[in-house]
Amino acid sequence: GAVVSQHPSRVICKSGTSVKIECRSLDFQATTMFWYRQFPKQSLMLMATSNEGSKATYEQGVEKDKFLINHASLTLSTLTVTSAHPEDSSFYICSARGGGLGTEAFFGQGTRLTVV
Amino acid sequence: GEDVEQSLFLSVREGDSSVINCTYTDSSSTYLYWYKQEPGAGLQLLTYIFSNMDMKQDQRLTVLLNKKDKHLSLRIADTQTGDSAIYFCAESMDNQGGKLIFGQGTELSVKP
Repeated sequence: GAVVSQHPSRVICKSGTSVKIECRSLDFQATTMFWYRQFPKQSLMLMATSNEGSKATYEQGVEKDKFLINHASLTLSTLTVTSAHPEDSSFYICSARGGGLGTEAFFGQGTRLTVV
Repeated sequence: GEDVEQSLFLSVREGDSSVINCTYTDSSSTYLYWYKQEPGAGLQLLTYIFSNMDMKQDQRLTVLLNKKDKHLSLRIADTQTGDSAIYFCAESMDNQGGKLIFGQGTELSVKP
């Protein structure tokens, strides 16, 4: 299957700083990327959908100014957690879907964010 | 709104069959999925089924879909210790496999 790479896999940051997480499709062009958040022992919750070259669509309850999403190219989407707080600590996972790949979205390996 | 429910834990012995169950609420979902997540890792798509199918088999995996009851199950034959993981069922919000609503995940423990 197609490969989606997330970076970094783990990050620890101080409260008040911003953290950027990258999601790259390595061998296909991702017209749409999705960002999910997973709390420990819980399910994944969709945060937002980003289409290349346009603004992201955020799910209800997700602060767009807190979680900045940029999908500047067909192979890269970034999620920036701004002014991070300990409650933002979580596992963030992206998925990407490209034209010609049918209905499957391919997931990255996730990023474990810890805010101290 | 849409909701997907799963039981949280399942324990089986190596060699037995595992059956993981899932119920969903959105009858308009065209695709239903099963994902596997190993500790600290992302999600691996195991299989998916179209809503107009009742069953799909792929090697050791069998998916059964009861649309009337909105019930989906994943059967793993000859379960191995390497199958120990969390299994998520998901339905697609956009019928294109991208925007997914996940169940809580079922933690499968396989004992030797």
